Amino acid sequence: QQQVKQSPQSLIVQKGGISIINCAYENTAFDYFPWYQQFPGKGPALLIAIRPDVSEKKEGRFTISFNKSAKQFSLHIMDSQPGDSATYFCAADNQAGTALIFGKGTTLSVSS
Amino acid sequence: NAGVTQTPKFQVLKTGQSMTLQCAQDMNHEYMSWYRQDPGMGLRLIHYSVGAGITDQGEVPNGYNVSRSTTEDFPLRLLSAAPSQTSVYFCASSYYRANTEAFFGQGTRLTVV
Repeated sequence: QQQVKQSPQSLIVQKGGISIINCAYENTAFDYFPWYQQFPGKGPALLIAIRPDVSEKKEGRFTISFNKSAKQFSLHIMDSQPGDSATYFCAADNQAGTALIFGKGTTLSVSS
Repeated sequence: NAGVTQTPKFQVLKTGQSMTLQCAQDMNHEYMSWYRQDPGMGLRLIHYSVGAGITDQGEVPNGYNVSRSTTEDFPLRLLSAAPSQTSVYFCASSYYRANTEAFFGQGTRLTVV
């Protein structure tokens, strides 16, 4: 049973455009929602994370929007650059912090 | 600090062979975990540990064993390799629990023939 559903599977965006990746979760006990970025041949690295006490968190060009009632959260990349081309994973965990569950990933290509 | 170090980077096994994937971290993190990454499947949790001497199963534990005798090391053992275990394996560590920043190793690409 997939607990975190991520879409789209792949995304092509023009340089300077906005990239949007969406995730939905089922488990209402989840209370930690990070996004990880992975370049080919590398391990994932934390990009940005949010907890449900806020509806939005922004770090530079990256923003997480969180909708607790809809059990959805999304990553917005403003002014997308070719260097942002990577695979992005959403994830979720609960207060016990024992198991970070990942979505299936979105491959982003930013064309110049 | 080296962070999270995984060895080997690449490995080819024959069906039925056993091997151990090594993982070490030098950040004094309590929580460590193993994931496998397959195309279109994302990262799936195999086993995790919340501290030395404590391990538990994740989403896909069958065919794998782990132990955590020290804070630094968290080896993953394949008991009898099968082609279905062909994958890229990642070890990760977090300061306290999984709901804090996870630091991943570079991965081990395993092929079982």
